[in-house]
Amino acid sequence: SQQGEEDPQALSIQEGENATMNCSYKTSINNLQWYRQNSGRGLVHLILIRSNEREKHSGRLRVTLDTSKKSSSLLITASRAADTASYFCATENTGRRALTFGSGTRLQVQP
Amino acid sequence: NAGVTQTPKFQVLKTGQSMTLQCAQDMNHNSMYWYRQDPGMGLRLIYYSASEGTTDKGEVPNGYNVSRLNKREFSLRLESAAPSQTSVYFCASSGVTGGGSGANVLTFGAGSRLTVL
Repeated sequence: SQQGEEDPQALSIQEGENATMNCSYKTSINNLQWYRQNSGRGLVHLILIRSNEREKHSGRLRVTLDTSKKSSSLLITASRAADTASYFCATENTGRRALTFGSGTRLQVQP
Repeated sequence: NAGVTQTPKFQVLKTGQSMTLQCAQDMNHNSMYWYRQDPGMGLRLIYYSASEGTTDKGEVPNGYNVSRLNKREFSLRLESAAPSQTSVYFCASSGVTGGGSGANVLTFGAGSRLTVL
């Protein structure tokens, strides 16, 4: 079964707007990661947040983590057409090294 | 840098045929993984190998076998392919992140698209 559920499943915005996508998970985690997948390609790691962290920034990316609610959000600011992709959250669960992935959010940024 | 290389990129099989997906990484990573990706399902773990000489089942291991041939190579075998195994297969590898934090960050291959008729 999937550990992460992502919301929304699909998101369409205009260039320059911010995009927010959310991820919920079920069990205790060591860290939560976000990956990006362009159409027909493999996944690429974007950012990692550890279970004892609440917020992390990397360029135009901002990730938050609320372990009490077992949820995370990814904010992409000032979006660009090149940000069009699918975004997946993944959890490294306590006691298990392999990552468990959510079902993903498809982001479309209109130029 | 090649990173993670998967072959073949595309394959069409008939039900009952067998095939092996090959994966190799050149990053000296200890751990390697096979995932499958189906529409609307995200990625599901088939098998993984935490280190050379070990393999473990993931969420959906039935119908698959794996071999960790050496530190670089991790193959996935379908002994008798079924239409339910039509999917995109991704190999990934991971080492320890910089600074010795121990977090498990994956590097993925480009994927192998398999169709079973």
